[in-house]
Amino acid sequence: QVQLVQSGPQVKKPGASVKVSCKTSGYIFSDFYLHWVRQAPGQGLEWMGVISPTGGTTTYTQKFQGRVTVTRDTSTSTVDMELSSLRSEDTAVYFCAREIFGSGSFDYWGQGTQVTVSS
Amino acid sequence: DIQMTQSPSSLSASVGDRVTITCRASQSVDDYLSWYRQKPGKAPELLIYSISSLQSGVPSRFSGSGSGTDFTLTISSLQPEDFATYYCHQGYNTPQTFGQGTKVEVK
Repeated sequence: QVQLVQSGPQVKKPGASVKVSCKTSGYIFSDFYLHWVRQAPGQGLEWMGVISPTGGTTTYTQKFQGRVTVTRDTSTSTVDMELSSLRSEDTAVYFCAREIFGSGSFDYWGQGTQVTVSS
Repeated sequence: DIQMTQSPSSLSASVGDRVTITCRASQSVDDYLSWYRQKPGKAPELLIYSISSLQSGVPSRFSGSGSGTDFTLTISSLQPEDFATYYCHQGYNTPQTFGQGTKVEVK
């Protein structure tokens, strides 16, 4: 069965970087785009970016441009999201999500990773 | 950026009620419109994609409709597990955007 399993919670200091991993299984990795979405405490969902699993092409929302990097490892079917220059406003749950091919919809999600930024 | 505006922001309902949530996009999103249900502490679950297509395994009490910029999610008979927050989402262009959410609470 399709699974997206994310790495565990992390606590970081302001100015540091965090890397969250999303290990996929149960489907052909190269067939689906992977997205990152975050949710601040008590807030709604915020799209961060997407990666093509074949060529590794990425697109990020302007808000995170220059601070976020999404990479993929086809040998392990894993996608990583690294966010740098962390500030308290980056405290959130980060989700990876698989896109149904060509639909712009996300059919499978990771369980979420809590990232806390605190001095 | 395409703004997605949901209404209402919250509503109170009882088991068995018919519930309707609307979503308006600031410009056309073609058919790249989906709906998600999110329970506290959990990842969102896809209910409807491409405006009206029911995701596999999702109960038929959920339905979606609309076109262009105006969309609706309907729950025909609310069940206990449906007390949650619902989001619309456009995947038409980047940045992809979500509505602010509609919280369905127990009346």
